[in-house]
Amino acid sequence: AQSVTQLDSHVSVSEGTPVLLRCNYSSSYSPSLFWYVQHPNKGLQLLLKYTSAATLVKGINGFEAEFKKSETSFHLTKPSAHMSDAAEYFCVVVSGGSYIPTFGRGTSLIVHP
Amino acid sequence: SQTIHQWPATLVQPVGSPLSLECTVEGTSNPNLYWYRQAAGRGLQLLFYSVGIGQISSEVPQNLSASRPQDRQFILSSKKLLLSDSGFYLCAWSLRDATQETQYFGPGTRLLVL
Repeated sequence: AQSVTQLDSHVSVSEGTPVLLRCNYSSSYSPSLFWYVQHPNKGLQLLLKYTSAATLVKGINGFEAEFKKSETSFHLTKPSAHMSDAAEYFCVVVSGGSYIPTFGRGTSLIVHP
Repeated sequence: SQTIHQWPATLVQPVGSPLSLECTVEGTSNPNLYWYRQAAGRGLQLLFYSVGIGQISSEVPQNLSASRPQDRQFILSSKKLLLSDSGFYLCAWSLRDATQETQYFGPGTRLLVL
């Protein structure tokens, strides 16, 4: 069984300040973890992916995430928010041997000028 | 490189009318294919997935069906639309015979049932 919890439905930051989007997961076996971004009325774009290599994963647009097995977390961070980062972000888990992902409910990132 | 197409981009249909949404993938063979629905303000719900031609798995019982008539074509259909079918429909693909693979999404179809 697998599940994912995005701890915040909305996160509001000022431009230029750090971003933290939180994600906790549960998985029975060797999970892969993903973060996707969705801009309004668009499809989902992959930001980054963890697959049991380095625990700190760097993605596109300056985002990164750290896999912490002991905390079952995979939080997404960015040092400095840009207005263009305003979007919906989804954390996703897929357990070992599975084709089927489980999506979190999403976190809406709001960036103020 | 691989690309995924969905059409139409938007659709307004009356209740009780039929539906056909199409998804095609280019640049890869034998992909896994997925249909998702995203209701307003909610996450993604997996509707169907397919690991090969004619092989369709349904994740939730509903008013919709899916078919895969060709290797890189995935169709979502309904005989009679309900108001609750309104939403944003997303198609995705991933590598065949590979688990835990990245899914790549199409641009989506916005469906409004009136």
